[in-house]
Amino acid sequence: AQSVAQPEDQVNVAEGNPLTVKCTYSVSGNPYLFWYVQYPNRGLQFLLKYITGDNLVKGSYGFEAEFNKSQTSFHLKKPSALVSDSALYFCAVRDNTNAGKSTFGDGTTLTVKP
Amino acid sequence: DTEVTQTPKHLVMGMTNKKSLKCEQHMGHRAMYWYKQKAKKPPELMFVYSYEKLSINESVPSRFSPECPNSSLLNLHLHALQPEDSALYLCASSQDLGRTNTGELFFGEGSRLTVL
Repeated sequence: AQSVAQPEDQVNVAEGNPLTVKCTYSVSGNPYLFWYVQYPNRGLQFLLKYITGDNLVKGSYGFEAEFNKSQTSFHLKKPSALVSDSALYFCAVRDNTNAGKSTFGDGTTLTVKP
Repeated sequence: DTEVTQTPKHLVMGMTNKKSLKCEQHMGHRAMYWYKQKAKKPPELMFVYSYEKLSINESVPSRFSPECPNSSLLNLHLHALQPEDSALYLCASSQDLGRTNTGELFFGEGSRLTVL
């Protein structure tokens, strides 16, 4: 079984401040971890992934995420938030034997205020 | 701009109508997916096709009927839907379902369905 938890429904930050969107996961095998972003009335867009290797992965639009195996976490970060980063963010996981079935978290709404 | 194209963007249908949603991708991907998404909720997997064969059906009611005519196209045929089926229907693709594939999904913009 696999699962994802995004403990915060809503994250509010001021423009220019760093942001963190939290994600913890549970899988039986090796995890493949993903972040997606969804802007209003749009589909989901792939931001970044962790498969293996460096624990810090860099993705689109200046986002990065840190994989922490001991804490089973994969938090999304950005050093300086933009108003245009305001969107719904989903963390997803699948184990390396479960092709085709990614499990999504419930999502976190990020609001960046000017 | 997304490389997965979905039509129509909006669809309103009665409970006795028959309609279809269409999806097209030209990334050479061999796995294609249908998801259902309610407002501010995560997408729920419905169907997965791998090399044009149905690989996963998440116990979806038979009023939803998927079809994969070729490696670039995916359809979802709708018949006798209920008002609770109103949602955003998302098509996605990935390289394939092989174990060496990392499996990131590329989504279309979705078809917003309203059932009256």
